[in-house]
Amino acid sequence: KQEVTQIPAALSVPEGENLVLNCSFTDSAIYNLQWFRQDPGKGLTSLLLIQSSQREQTSGRLNASLDKSSGRSTLYIAASQPGDSATYLCAVRSGGTSYGKLTFGQGTILTVHP
Amino acid sequence: GAGVSQSPSNKVTEKGKDVELRCDPISGHTALYWYRQSLGQGLEFLIYFQGNSAPDKSGLPSDRFSAERTGGSVSTLTIQRTQQEDSAVYLCASSYQPLGASSGANVLTFGAGSRLTVL
Repeated sequence: KQEVTQIPAALSVPEGENLVLNCSFTDSAIYNLQWFRQDPGKGLTSLLLIQSSQREQTSGRLNASLDKSSGRSTLYIAASQPGDSATYLCAVRSGGTSYGKLTFGQGTILTVHP
Repeated sequence: GAGVSQSPSNKVTEKGKDVELRCDPISGHTALYWYRQSLGQGLEFLIYFQGNSAPDKSGLPSDRFSAERTGGSVSTLTIQRTQQEDSAVYLCASSYQPLGASSGANVLTFGAGSRLTVL
């Protein structure tokens, strides 16, 4: 059974800092991995998706890396802003196809202070 | 529609009552997922639809939970004889995943959720 763990559970930083969120998964036979952002009272917004054959993906100030063999992914946020405050969720799709469920971690609650 | 629409956004009910939660996916999206997010918990998978069929309903917690999808579009999640532990935010997501295709990113778009409170 796939299990996804995110560290830290919460993070509070001043504006402008670069930061790293960590995600680990127990079964390395994944199809892809996604990072989501969740704002209070809202649904999830997909940030980055990394296929199992890829090592990293970048979008603006965000960079996600994937080390499938060690069961780890990191989300790097550069020059953090107060608007980045949200819960960040990591999710993996297991198996060899694009079907099927995503298994989520419990998230990292990020607060960026002005 | 422009996004995934869920209704009601908030539902308060008494223990023992039945509730129905509705999900209207993005037009043309073939796959539809239901997840549950309880207070302090991560997202818990409930069921996945491809078209009108459910290849994976392994996450439904008990036989009080059921879901259907009609016309390859709208889905309804029904909880019978609600219990206090059913209180959670129920999230729906959809994606375009052609039937028979096993590759592709299959990026999910989530709705805002239905918050269920069972008193």
